[in-house]
Parts: sequence; structure tokens; C-alpha cells
Amino acid sequence: AQTIHQWPVAEIKAVGSPLSLGCTIKGKSSPNLYWYWQATGGTLQQLFYSITVGQVESVVQLNLSASRPKDDQFILSTEKLLLSHSGFYLCAWSPDWGNTGQLYFGEGSKLTVL
Amino acid sequence: GDSVTQTEGPVTVSESESLIINCTYSATSIAYPNLFWYVRYPGEGLQLLLKVITAGQKGSSRGFEATYNKETTSFHLQKASVQESDSAVYYCALVRRSNNRIFFGDGTQLVVKP
Repeated sequence: AQTIHQWPVAEIKAVGSPLSLGCTIKGKSSPNLYWYWQATGGTLQQLFYSITVGQVESVVQLNLSASRPKDDQFILSTEKLLLSHSGFYLCAWSPDWGNTGQLYFGEGSKLTVL
Repeated sequence: GDSVTQTEGPVTVSESESLIINCTYSATSIAYPNLFWYVRYPGEGLQLLLKVITAGQKGSSRGFEATYNKETTSFHLQKASVQESDSAVYYCALVRRSNNRIFFGDGTQLVVKP
């Protein structure tokens, strides 16, 4: 069975500090990977997606970047956090885009920027 | 652009009452998007509730149903008799498979009173 693990579960960070959120998928080779963000009370917004190692497409510009260093790993980062980065970050995977497009989500990482 | 609009929450119903959460979509670049309902139970991750990829078809799961109506561009979620365990946040979503985009509604919090 496939599993998806996100880390950390929660972070409290200062404005201007760096951030790195991670996501690992086990049990599935060459998944499509996604990062979503949800501000408190807001809509889930797709930030990035990746269909293969080393290739990441940006969907929404939030002064964040993403990388896929390994087939099973997706990293979200920034060198300088803004207050507006606070929220809930979800990583997701899909087997491929030739099927229905169903996503499988991780538990999420809650980020509070002070 | 593509978007999803759903019933604003919270929606409060008593156990054994019927439920409908409205969802309408705008898919300007997609003739027939794939449609989904996702659910987040308290303390759990976001997970698929049901999906329909063919216009005119109905999806069902855990007593919930939703019919893909392309004439009214709607995908309303219904249940004849809710249970307290159905309390959760429900998200309607559409998928634009051509460029790996999935659009979520704002989510509807359902509170079922015993």
C-alpha cells in the first residue's frame, strides 16, 4: 500500500526566516506530486506540481519554491518567510494523469509565521 | 477561468435528517471536467469521498450521492439520513487534466447534532 508522509507536522517561524517542508511517498514509483496551500478559512490552492524528478511546474506565485530531488520526495521551501505564508500545506500524489485525476493527500503541515 | 462554488458553512443538521450541499462549477476551458467530493474528518487527512468522470453519471459512497449534471454545471452532494459521524468538512473539486490542475471549492463544514 502507498503511504504519504509530511514533515514537520507543525512549525512556528519568524518573519524573514527560512522554511523547508517535506513530503515522501512510499510504495509508488514515479507518482505525480503536488503542493497545496490553505490559508485559515481560505480555499485550497494548488502551488506546484511535478511529474518527474527534477521537474517542477509553478501554479501560484507565493514567493515559495519547490523541488523534487528524488522520485519519492517533494520539498517546499523559501529563504524568507512572510506573514502571508501562514496556513496549512498539503502534499498530494496521483498515480498518473491518464486516470481520473484523483489525488491522495498527506496529513498536512501547519505553518504559523509570527 | 475554472472555479467551484459550494454551500457556505457551517451547515448544521440533526441526526437522521437529510442533507444537501450544493456545488456548481465553471469550466471554461474544459468540456467535461472530472468532478470530486473530498472530505476531511476531524483529526484526519483530506480523502476522497466520491468521484464521477462521466457527465450524467452518479457517484456514491458511505451513503452519500452526487450526480454530475452538465446542463446545470452542478455536482450537489446529498445524503438521505446523516449521522453524527458525518460531521466533517466537505470539498467539491474539479480536475483539468490537460495541465494537472485541480480546483477546490471553499469547503463546507457539516455539523451533525445528536
